[in-house]
Amino acid sequence: DAKTTQPPSMDCAEGRAANLPCNHSTISGNEYVYWYRQIHSQGPQYIIHGLKNNETNEMASLIITEDRKSSTLILPHATLRDTAVYYCIVRVANAGGTSYGKLTFGQGTILTVHP
Amino acid sequence: EAQVTQNPRYLITVTGKKLTVTCSQNMNHEYMSWYRQDPGLGLRQIYYSMNVEVTDKGDVPEGYKVSRKEKRNFPLILESPSPNQTSLYFCASNDRTSEAFFGQGTRLTVV
Repeated sequence: DAKTTQPPSMDCAEGRAANLPCNHSTISGNEYVYWYRQIHSQGPQYIIHGLKNNETNEMASLIITEDRKSSTLILPHATLRDTAVYYCIVRVANAGGTSYGKLTFGQGTILTVHP
Repeated sequence: EAQVTQNPRYLITVTGKKLTVTCSQNMNHEYMSWYRQDPGLGLRQIYYSMNVEVTDKGDVPEGYKVSRKEKRNFPLILESPSPNQTSLYFCASNDRTSEAFFGQGTRLTVV
């Protein structure tokens, strides 16, 4: 799976949009971009994923650049409860076999939302 | 409700005393995994299973065993725990089309 690079920490004011960047310059054509977050020491929680088109769900939006070498997770109206570590992961989703069972986590971005 | 359940949530044990951390999922997922999380090292995969009776090593399997006798359960076994296995452990499950669901974690201390 391709390696990702994220800033170690970011701040955001409550009610503002939080834009979390991720670089994945070695991503392959069959690799998806996944985002998870971990609040305090709870289990990681899935947020969103995409291949090449922008995606939106009830939690966030995912913007993937045309060359797919980077992406941005957008929390449109951050709240204090969004304070967490955010992980960007790229992984093969259609190759079968062991690839489905493994997520390779980096250090993530610590997002702090302040009042 | 889709759930991955780990037990116990907290455990303090002594070196060498065998222990088992249980993990159960109610989503009929094929894939289950165990991770450990340590400060500065992030989440690392210990073992994973692709289906009943099919398991394989992850990145840090030494000192651990697993079994998958039923699809819903994937226990993690420490035959002879040592202090370097003090960590926060997570179980996860997924299938080919879903994201991974994680349990709430088990904080293990080995003294």
